[in-house]
Amino acid sequence: DAGITQSPRHKVTETGTPVTLRCHQTENHRYMYWYRQDPGHGLRLIHYSYGVKDTDKGEVSDGYSVSRSKTEDFLLTLESATSSQTSVYFCAISEQVTDTQYFGPGTRLTVL
Amino acid sequence: KNEVEQSPQNLTAQEGEFITINCSYSVGISALHWLQQHPGGGIVSLFMLSSGKKKHGRLIATINIQEKHSSLHITASHPRDSAVYICAVSLPTGNQFYFGTGTSLTVIP
Repeated sequence: DAGITQSPRHKVTETGTPVTLRCHQTENHRYMYWYRQDPGHGLRLIHYSYGVKDTDKGEVSDGYSVSRSKTEDFLLTLESATSSQTSVYFCAISEQVTDTQYFGPGTRLTVL
Repeated sequence: KNEVEQSPQNLTAQEGEFITINCSYSVGISALHWLQQHPGGGIVSLFMLSSGKKKHGRLIATINIQEKHSSLHITASHPRDSAVYICAVSLPTGNQFYFGTGTSLTVIP
């Protein structure tokens, strides 16, 4: 299994509070991704990174920001959480942009 | 509009049956991916293919680029195959992945 961890694995928070999710990899892969998964939707890309300090928006980036200060860590921040951001969040990594992606275990976030 | 459509959405089979899950897509792709998600949420990549056919154990994936269609077959299905199977495509330009909504498979002993 690719070495990818996510923290926390579960979080319950209140509307309006900031939340940061962490993705950590030990594979030294260049590309890192944040997805959300909701019933009735496929996985949807929030943001991705193609190197340290290099990030770009995905399909559903509104309300989210990311940072990557080290190869191994990719942080997803909800500046002011809303109930519509209740979801399961997956981090993924890949060596090349069109390569197989390896997924982390997911973080279940509930915004009350 | 969904760039990736899967069918069926739900599938129940008896142990030992041959299973087929279909995926159609509407965009030009560099590769198609089949993923498996077990109850409990972990996502595992099964196949990445851009042409022809790949086989791994009891799983076979095929793709027809001209028809923009792929199938995932499971031979001699087993209850441990019960999972959600997700089709995804990667685009040749830019860093874009599109995912289907998944096919939920239940294999009954």
